Amino acid sequence: DIQMTQSPSSLSASVGDRVTITCRASQSISSYLNWYQQKPGKAPKLLIYAASSLQSGVPSRFSGSGSGTDFTLTISSLQPEDFATYYCQQSYSTLQTFGPGTKVDIK
Amino acid sequence: QVQLVQSGAEVKKPGASVKVSCKASGYTFTSYDINWVRQATGQGLEWMGWMNPNSGNTGYAQKFQGRVTMTRNTSISTAYMELSSLRSEDTAVYYCARGYTELLWFGELFLEYYYMDVWGKGTTVTVSS
Repeated sequence: DIQMTQSPSSLSASVGDRVTITCRASQSISSYLNWYQQKPGKAPKLLIYAASSLQSGVPSRFSGSGSGTDFTLTISSLQPEDFATYYCQQSYSTLQTFGPGTKVDIK
Repeated sequence: QVQLVQSGAEVKKPGASVKVSCKASGYTFTSYDINWVRQATGQGLEWMGWMNPNSGNTGYAQKFQGRVTMTRNTSISTAYMELSSLRSEDTAVYYCARGYTELLWFGELFLEYYYMDVWGKGTTVTVSS
């Protein structure tokens, strides 16, 4: 199985901050990398697919980059509704895997 | 609108089985995969497997091989996930999610990208004696 790691595991930030979350795959996955946002008690929500394509309806302050093994999710100006946990997920293999998550909370 | 509606919460004893349903509406059920993902309390997301509702083909994470079965009833646009030999560690929220394949132009060719774009609200399964 392809293993996914994320860093940091958690971070504290303020409204308006630029936030960057990193995801690493145990082998090259080209651009087969998706990002999801999850709020407490809610189902995950797709933010970014194919490493850098913004899902319809997702604010443009979210962006993704990377290919191969290293990927980044960036929130350009953190908003109150962005405090949540973020997961990366690889779809390179038919046996998909998620990263362990990064919790973004209020500083 | 496109949605996935899951069955209600379940309480099971260790060793029993549970079958969770996921009813699709607003799109052609047989055109997109259904994935199952679970999340224990306070833990991350764990992908369990996928099913193609058209063919019935499935793929399961190694961890669940032999214990999970994903099926469907196309006449009622419903997917099912059955997990057997339940243990306390299986206590979790179980989500179904639609698997979407998109063709994107990448460099000099089109490539297929796969993601989970529509999710059910989750079904809580509690395993307790």
